[in-house]
Amino acid sequence: DTGVSQNPRHKITKRGQNVTFRCDPISEHNRLYWYRQTLGQGPEFLTYFQNEAQLEKSRLLSDRFSAERPKGSFSTLEIQRTEQGDSAMYLCASSRMNTGELFFGEGSRLTVL
Amino acid sequence: AQSVTQLDSQVPVFEEAPVELRCNYSSSVSVYLFWYVQYPNQGLQLLLKYLSGSTLVESINGFEAEFNKSQTSFHLRKPSVHISDTAEYFCAVSGGSNYKLTFGKGTLLTVNP
Repeated sequence: DTGVSQNPRHKITKRGQNVTFRCDPISEHNRLYWYRQTLGQGPEFLTYFQNEAQLEKSRLLSDRFSAERPKGSFSTLEIQRTEQGDSAMYLCASSRMNTGELFFGEGSRLTVL
Repeated sequence: AQSVTQLDSQVPVFEEAPVELRCNYSSSVSVYLFWYVQYPNQGLQLLLKYLSGSTLVESINGFEAEFNKSQTSFHLRKPSVHISDTAEYFCAVSGGSNYKLTFGKGTLLTVNP
């Protein structure tokens, strides 16, 4: 396994711009999760996919956020019209079905100026 | 719904001293329990997990945790810490078919010489 890969690792943007993060999960992992982590807090669940189907979204995921996993492999998380409150580390994790063990990537840190 | 409470936000200790990081959870369903470790500017790494079976689980680097159902706790312990153990530690719980993790706010363990 090559591990979960996330890009870019760091993104600085101006308020109002759109940003997109990419996550490549461990191959053959059916499930893919997105989390957000702010300073001094634990990761908070945003959404998850089973294969290409998005099965659950948190209330934290406002209309400006959209996630896709079109072919059941990599996933993208897009934030439109970014706000300063979106500044956080965005973590991606993947797992095999029904194992309960999530493998996390290094995260993508977003700074909104 | 699940929740996790990590009772200490910071734990400073001296090298070679024992340490306990406390974690309590609440859940209406059977749970899986995890401890993750996060080093600065890195993603989360699984330290140990309780899925079923023996209530005492161990990691390869000397940490152990005990699942106590009656007290709804999953405290993390190490008999003798090293400088390299300095990191943020997160307790997490999952339950239900989606296996999403709910994290505590984390405990910063600082090991001083």
